Amino acid sequence: GENVEQHPSTLSVQEGDSAVIKCTYSDSASNYFPWYKQELGKGPQLIIDIRSNVGEKKDQRIAVTLNKTAKHFSLHITETQPEDSAVYFCAVYPTSYDKVIFGPGTSLSVIP
Amino acid sequence: ETGVTQSPTHLIKTRGQQVTLRCSSQSGHNTVSWYQQALGQGPQFIFQYYREEENGRGNFPPRFSGLQFPNYSSELNVNALELDDSALYLCASSRSGRETQYFGPGTRLLVL
Repeated sequence: GENVEQHPSTLSVQEGDSAVIKCTYSDSASNYFPWYKQELGKGPQLIIDIRSNVGEKKDQRIAVTLNKTAKHFSLHITETQPEDSAVYFCAVYPTSYDKVIFGPGTSLSVIP
Repeated sequence: ETGVTQSPTHLIKTRGQQVTLRCSSQSGHNTVSWYQQALGQGPQFIFQYYREEENGRGNFPPRFSGLQFPNYSSELNVNALELDDSALYLCASSRSGRETQYFGPGTRLLVL
C-alpha cells in the first residue's frame, strides 16, 4: 500500500524567512496531493493542493511543487509570519481512493 | 455556506462502553469521511460514506461502524471502547469521493 513520509518533523524559522516541508510517497499512481494546516484544538484546514498533471501551484505566500518522477512534493511558505505557526500535514490520494494517507506532520514555529 | 460541524466537542467514556459521534456535512457535499487522530500523529482514515453507503474502509476493526443519512449527515459508532480509542475524531465532507475534503473541528474522546 501507499506509504507517506514527511520531513522535517519540527521546523523553527525566524519571521520573514522561508519554510520548506517535503513529503515522499511510494505509489506512482497517486494523483492528488493536498496540504493541510492544523492549529491547536482545530481540525485540519486545506491550504493548497496539486494534481498529478501539474508541476507547481502558487497561492500568495504558499506554493506546492510536485516531482512525479522522484515521487515527492513540497510545501513552500515565504515571508513567514507568527500566525503560520501550526502543524502541517501532507496527504496522498491513491487511485484506490478508499485509503487517503496522511503524513505524520511537521510542527512549524515562526519566531517573531 | 455552513461548514462541517461535529458534536459533541469533548466526551469521556469508560472502557467497554459505546459511543456515537455526529457530523453535519458542508452544504452541497454528499460524501463524508471519518478519521482518527492520535496525539502527535496524522489523521488515520476510518471509512467513507457516499450517498448513504460505505465507500471504502481503512484498517479499523468492525466495532467501528457508521451511518449516513439522507441529508448526508453522518454518525460514527464505536463499540466496546478500548483505552487506545482515545483520540481526536475528525469528520470531513466533500462533493464526491475524490474531491477536496473539508474538515470539521473534531470530537475529542477520552476513554478511561
